[in-house]
Amino acid sequence: EPEVTQTPSHQVTQMGQEVILRCVPISNHLYFYWYRQILGQKVEFLVSFYNNEISEKSEIFDDQFSVERPDGSNFTLKIRSTKLEDSAMYFCASAVEGGGDTQYFGPGTRLTVL
Amino acid sequence: AQSVSQHNHHVILSEAASLELGCNYSYGGTVNLFWYVQYPGQHLQLLLKYFSGDPLVKGIKGFEAEFIKSKFSFNLRKPSVQWSDTAEYFCAVNAAGTYKYIFGTGTRLKVLA
Repeated sequence: EPEVTQTPSHQVTQMGQEVILRCVPISNHLYFYWYRQILGQKVEFLVSFYNNEISEKSEIFDDQFSVERPDGSNFTLKIRSTKLEDSAMYFCASAVEGGGDTQYFGPGTRLTVL
Repeated sequence: AQSVSQHNHHVILSEAASLELGCNYSYGGTVNLFWYVQYPGQHLQLLLKYFSGDPLVKGIKGFEAEFIKSKFSFNLRKPSVQWSDTAEYFCAVNAAGTYKYIFGTGTRLKVLA
């Protein structure tokens, strides 16, 4: 069964550095998402992406964040100038359709900012 | 603003016990409702979902959930849990016409063999 994959599984970075988290969605999916989960807290929506543009974003997704689909398979989340509070698990998800269609989640990337 | 509440943060049950996990949401419009499960070391997987129609929804592994619109609830149930059901369970809501899921804080279920 096809799965969403994410790399790396764990990323450690220094405060102020830029990180890029990578996701490979399921191949026939058209809608892509990023969520994050700070340790001990709930999963929070960051952004949704369709047809090479952001379709919806949360208040968390400020100018520090950006997303891109640089080629036909990858979907990336860039965090510029990381802060300590960016330490979290970041989940990518994809879906065939938008709206309430079932989202398939990747295993997550644990980001640790020192 | 939409929100989802899961009242039980930690639940411990013996095998064969019945399970009910509560989920309430706050949103006045049409919603799509989901339960996801995260087994230790694995990613979030869909257990079941409700879009419309019969409010009693059956999912994988013997789970079911009932949407009660008047109570804004979507509780998850299983008549007889197994040790392999040990996992974290997340309720999620999607407001119709939007793209994002709003998740609850999750319930950690531990089933004792």
